[in-house]
Amino acid sequence: GAVVSQHPSWVICKSGTSVKIECRSLDFQATTMFWYRQFPKQSLMLMATSNEGSKATYEQGVEKDKFLINHASLTLSTLTVTSAHPEDSSFYICSARDVGSVLSGNTIYFGEGSWLTVV
Amino acid sequence: GQNIDQPTEMTATEGAIVQINCTYQTSGFNGLFWYQQHAGEAPTFLSYNVLDGLEEKGRFSSFLSRSKGYSYLLLKELQMKDSASYLCVFNQGGKLIFGQGTELSVKP
Repeated sequence: GAVVSQHPSWVICKSGTSVKIECRSLDFQATTMFWYRQFPKQSLMLMATSNEGSKATYEQGVEKDKFLINHASLTLSTLTVTSAHPEDSSFYICSARDVGSVLSGNTIYFGEGSWLTVV
Repeated sequence: GQNIDQPTEMTATEGAIVQINCTYQTSGFNGLFWYQQHAGEAPTFLSYNVLDGLEEKGRFSSFLSRSKGYSYLLLKELQMKDSASYLCVFNQGGKLIFGQGTELSVKP
């Protein structure tokens, strides 16, 4: 079963509103989670690194005031798209690493992704 | 900075073998992943290379040369379901940096 749960899977919102996406690690603790965005026919682009108990680290070109990240617990990170615009419509996906395990392909888990459509 | 280069698209025939190449330049390197992604879905882990050499796993093999900044994914006995995007990804301290992906189309 899924070890990282992402919610919602699909969301449609009106332009100017805010949308929150949750990423939960279900059976492990994740001090660090990562948020990616993927536009159609493009690869995943890292937006930010979410750190439990501290501020997120944003990649160059990503507006931190627009994409608010909160990592309040060891199992939950949230991404809030504020004042959404149609160009924010995209596939957003999170990943988390089980820090209790040796880094390998099997210890980095992806959420199911969230499709955001801003109308 | 970092840069990953892989072909945008490839076409191969069912039952054949295809090799997807990836070259990279990075200031920090902790291993290279290959992921498969079908449209609209999360990436699926295929392989992880930390040391030079070939890693074989069933129909999929991955090769890494750190000195050359080069990796390839080899897919054998292609099946129609292998049509997907294949992502060359390097690990930078737990942060995954994705290449643009290679869209593989498998034809009958």
